[in-house]
Amino acid sequence: QQQVKQSPQSLIVQKGGIPIINCAYENTAFDYFPWYQQFPGKGPALLIAIRPDVSEKKEGRFTISFNKSAKQFSLHIMDSQPGDSATYFCAASTNTGFQKLVFGTGTRLLVSP
Amino acid sequence: EAQVTQNPRYLITVTGKKLTVTCSQNMNHEYMSWYRQDPGLGLRQIYYSMNVEVTDKGDVPEGYKVSRKEKRNFPLILESPSPNQTSLYFCASSHLPPGLASKLGLQETQYFGPGTRLLVL
Repeated sequence: QQQVKQSPQSLIVQKGGIPIINCAYENTAFDYFPWYQQFPGKGPALLIAIRPDVSEKKEGRFTISFNKSAKQFSLHIMDSQPGDSATYFCAASTNTGFQKLVFGTGTRLLVSP
Repeated sequence: EAQVTQNPRYLITVTGKKLTVTCSQNMNHEYMSWYRQDPGLGLRQIYYSMNVEVTDKGDVPEGYKVSRKEKRNFPLILESPSPNQTSLYFCASSHLPPGLASKLGLQETQYFGPGTRLLVL
């Protein structure tokens, strides 16, 4: 049972486009929602994260949109570049007891030149 | 340079032969964890450790053991590996459990190792 559902599984956009990756969750106790970027042969790297008290967070070209009522959050990459081609994972954790991260299944993004 | 190192990076073994994957971090982080990554399943947490001598199970702990005798090291032990443990393994570390830093108004920092690809025949 996947606690965080991520879509799409793969995505191809042209350079300059705005890929959007979506995640949905059921557990209303989740209160931390990070995104990770993983290049082939490397470990994941924390990209950007949001808490449910805000609806949007921007860091450079990366934006998280958060919809608490719908229990959904998404990653937008503005002006995407070929160097953004990677696998992206959303995740969620709760703040009760010792936090554990629950990951989505990943989205493989290809930005064509 | 801040880093998490794992060894070995690649390992082929046979069913039942005990193995250890080492993980070491040089950032004096309290929190460390192990994940396995499988196609279509994302990353799943195996074990985590809040500090020395404090460890707990993640979502998929069966068939694995860990120890945290020193703050910098968090080895993953497979006492009797089986083919279903063939996977890509990642160790990660951070000062605080993921999410707690931002709740306290601090910057979240989490570092993953480069991964260990394990094949159990």
